[in-house]
Amino acid sequence: AQRVTQPEKLLSVFKGAPVELKCNYSYSGSPELFWYVQYSRQRLQLLLRHISRESIKGFTADLNKGETSFHLKKPFAQEEDSAMYYCALSGGNTPLVFGKGTRLSVIA
Amino acid sequence: GAVVSQHPSRVICKSGTSVKIECRSLDFQATTMFWYRQFPKQSLMLMATSNEGSKATYEQGVEKDKFLINHASLTLSTLTVTSAHPEDSSFYICSAKRLAGYNEQFFGPGTRLTVL
Repeated sequence: AQRVTQPEKLLSVFKGAPVELKCNYSYSGSPELFWYVQYSRQRLQLLLRHISRESIKGFTADLNKGETSFHLKKPFAQEEDSAMYYCALSGGNTPLVFGKGTRLSVIA
Repeated sequence: GAVVSQHPSRVICKSGTSVKIECRSLDFQATTMFWYRQFPKQSLMLMATSNEGSKATYEQGVEKDKFLINHASLTLSTLTVTSAHPEDSSFYICSAKRLAGYNEQFFGPGTRLTVL
């Protein structure tokens, strides 16, 4: 079964501090992992996908198959990063399965 | 590109009535569309997967006779909540996958349903 775990409901950091949003997954095959972000009153939008290995808005995420993790990181948090972040998994042609989400609050 | 719209954005209805929500991919063709439900301050829960021209696949626990899904074309899927009750009040979000390209889902803005 596919499962995504985001252990933190809320993460508060000061502006300029490093951020790490944790995501662990359970999947028997080769997963595709994503991070989606939902800013206040906006729709869900893709932030990162592991296969592209890109950095968006300063965020990066590395897939660690040994630890079954896909943590999202940013070295210096900005106030505009405050949002709801969802880690999601797909088994290729299967629908996305979402974690419960982590609300990131960046304090000025 | 890859914009998904939903209509209406919010709807209030009386208990017992039916409500239809439309999901459209505006600038791409979508082989597959998904319907999610989101309760306040909770994650998205997949309700069903719809493929153009075929019956929707419902997740366990989702009543297919209550949540009717029609995917009539490569750009339109509809969700009809039949005989709505207050417990059906929720935020309904659709997403669509492109016919070609990355395995990526594009999300609509959601529809807030309130059943009185």
